[in-house]
Amino acid sequence: QKEVEQNSGPLSVPEGAIASLNCTYSDRGSQSFFWYRQYSGKSPELIMSIYSNGDKEDGRFTAQLNKASQYVSLLIRDSQPSDSATYLCAVNNFNKFYFGSGTKLNVKP
Amino acid sequence: GAVVSQHPSRVICKSGTSVKIECRSLDFQATTMFWYRQFPKQSLMLMATSNEGSKATYEQGVEKDKFLINHASLTLSTLTVTSAHPEDSSFYICSARFPGLAGGSNEQFFGPGTRLTVL
Repeated sequence: QKEVEQNSGPLSVPEGAIASLNCTYSDRGSQSFFWYRQYSGKSPELIMSIYSNGDKEDGRFTAQLNKASQYVSLLIRDSQPSDSATYLCAVNNFNKFYFGSGTKLNVKP
Repeated sequence: GAVVSQHPSRVICKSGTSVKIECRSLDFQATTMFWYRQFPKQSLMLMATSNEGSKATYEQGVEKDKFLINHASLTLSTLTVTSAHPEDSSFYICSARFPGLAGGSNEQFFGPGTRLTVL
């Protein structure tokens, strides 16, 4: 069983729609949760970090954490073609980071 | 966010040579840095965790004598690929753990990556 699981996609949404990206993790002791965006040929860029249950909003992005269900999600409102990228979920446990394999998002104009 | 630089961004070398990649945290001190490798259309693979002033911790299957890591200061870690071969061609990315204001942050910031091509 992988530490962090993501649907590889691709997830296709029309421009202006809400994109919903999901991630599950296996270790209940995980403490910190992150979403990264990676454009093709580039390194990952941190979008959101979340540490406690509930929602955290930053502009068009909302991260949701449910520790009981071991589930993290990222919502992107008003999706733009420039949001097309691979989104990586990362989980931290005692200075050990685990990355999911990423979900490819395509936002169609 | 915090800034991490990586140099060089691209390197082409002959088989059998050694290549050194530098990773620097520009506006913060990083006690912990990480080295990843990524093959085309694949996910990040953690190679090693580098702690300032101590030996790096390598992931299973990563040869420590081939991938030499030195974390000599709080802002610099280096990865040396020794006796490189074509199968070592990949995208190498470093990251640094950002300590935050009270030292409790676990955020990682990535360098821009180094694309290594071994002929």
